[in-house]
Amino acid sequence: QSALTQPASVSGSPGQSITISCTGSSSDIGIYNLVSWYQQYPGKAPKVMIIEVTKRPSGVSDRFSGSKSGNTAFLTISGLQAEDEGDYYCCSYVGGGSSLHVFGTGTKVTVL
Amino acid sequence: EVQLVESGGGLVQPGGSLRLSCAASGITVSDNYMVWVRQAPGKGLEWVSVIYAGVADVNTYYTDSVKGRFTISRDKSKNTLYLQMDSLRVDDTAVYYCARDVSGYMGHFDYWGQGALVTVSS
Repeated sequence: QSALTQPASVSGSPGQSITISCTGSSSDIGIYNLVSWYQQYPGKAPKVMIIEVTKRPSGVSDRFSGSKSGNTAFLTISGLQAEDEGDYYCCSYVGGGSSLHVFGTGTKVTVL
Repeated sequence: EVQLVESGGGLVQPGGSLRLSCAASGITVSDNYMVWVRQAPGKGLEWVSVIYAGVADVNTYYTDSVKGRFTISRDKSKNTLYLQMDSLRVDDTAVYYCARDVSGYMGHFDYWGQGALVTVSS
């Protein structure tokens, strides 16, 4: 199972909105509404930001939102803040084989 | 408060073995789906393995690259998750995180350990 494809980097100014894409296939994102997104700071463990494509776990800012179209999922960060700078990874259920989940290649978000 | 604390990382030669431990507090390992996720230096996250919740037949799954070499297990009395890694290869070098998987299929990993660095090198 190959990693999902994300842009290497996305940047924006404070207050702006940015969107990160995550492209998979008809075997993962295309058939399962089981996409999650993770934020990771350097040297730290990841933190879940979005589950099941659009849901925010308790405690996650409503500036983070998720969506999906076909084989591609999206993470949108609205009202960009300095604290949003970090790496972001998507993750999809791929069930049916031995590997149950696959992560994306990761996107570095820079706040200008 | 939930805490997951990994230990057992270190330097090992190619072909060698290592066992990682993930000691839990605040949750019961055997009642939860637990996963290992790894991250090679400067690279992205990779899902490695899951062990299903419950006391009946233990279901485990592995990513293809570690199947037959790695074994996930748990000790109920010690409330600890393990990852036995055999026939280690240079490309297994990574920080290994244990995490709780809320459902086993949603990809909702809510509690994470701090990570254990495994370096495979001669």
